[in-house]
Amino acid sequence: EDQVTQSPEALRLQEGESSSLNCSYTVSGLRGLFWYRQDPGKGPEFLFTLYSAGEEKEKERLKATLTKKESFLHITAPKPEDSATYLCAVQAWETSGSRLTFGEGTQLTVNP
Amino acid sequence: GAVVSQHPSRVICKSGTSVKIECRSLDFQATTMFWYRQFPKQSLMLMATSNEGSKATYEQGVEKDKFLINHASLTLSTLTVTSAHPEDSSFYICSADNGVADEQFFGPGTRLTVL
Repeated sequence: EDQVTQSPEALRLQEGESSSLNCSYTVSGLRGLFWYRQDPGKGPEFLFTLYSAGEEKEKERLKATLTKKESFLHITAPKPEDSATYLCAVQAWETSGSRLTFGEGTQLTVNP
Repeated sequence: GAVVSQHPSRVICKSGTSVKIECRSLDFQATTMFWYRQFPKQSLMLMATSNEGSKATYEQGVEKDKFLINHASLTLSTLTVTSAHPEDSSFYICSADNGVADEQFFGPGTRLTVL
């Protein structure tokens, strides 16, 4: 059974204070690892897809990296508007279509 | 591109009534749509996968007779919560697969409150 564990559950940062969010996963064969951002009362917004260990992707202040066991979402010099819940999800080769298994998320709060 | 809409965004209903939620892919055709439920401060739990023109595949523990899913076209899937009860109150989110790079695009969600 595919499993995704995210840590920490919640993270408070001061504006400009860089940090990382962790996503540990267990999957029979990784097809893709996805990062989403979710604001309260809204659906998830796609951020990144990573497919193989060693891959990195960047978007503004966010950078996602992938190893064979975990992924990190690095946030550099965050701003208050980066406050949201960040969700990690995996897609396995064994499952049909694009089925995703989500982690519990990390709730990020960036204080001005 | 790849926009998914849901209607309604919020619904309040009395216990015992049925509620229908629509999920539409606005600018692409979605052969597969997914329905999730999210309780407060929890992650998304997949309820079912629906493919156009065929029966939905439900996750273990999800009652197919209570959560009716219809995927009648490549741009529309509906979820009907039948005989709703207060414990069905939740945030329901749909997503659609555009068939490219296995990405799912999510709708804005529907907040269901059953009194």
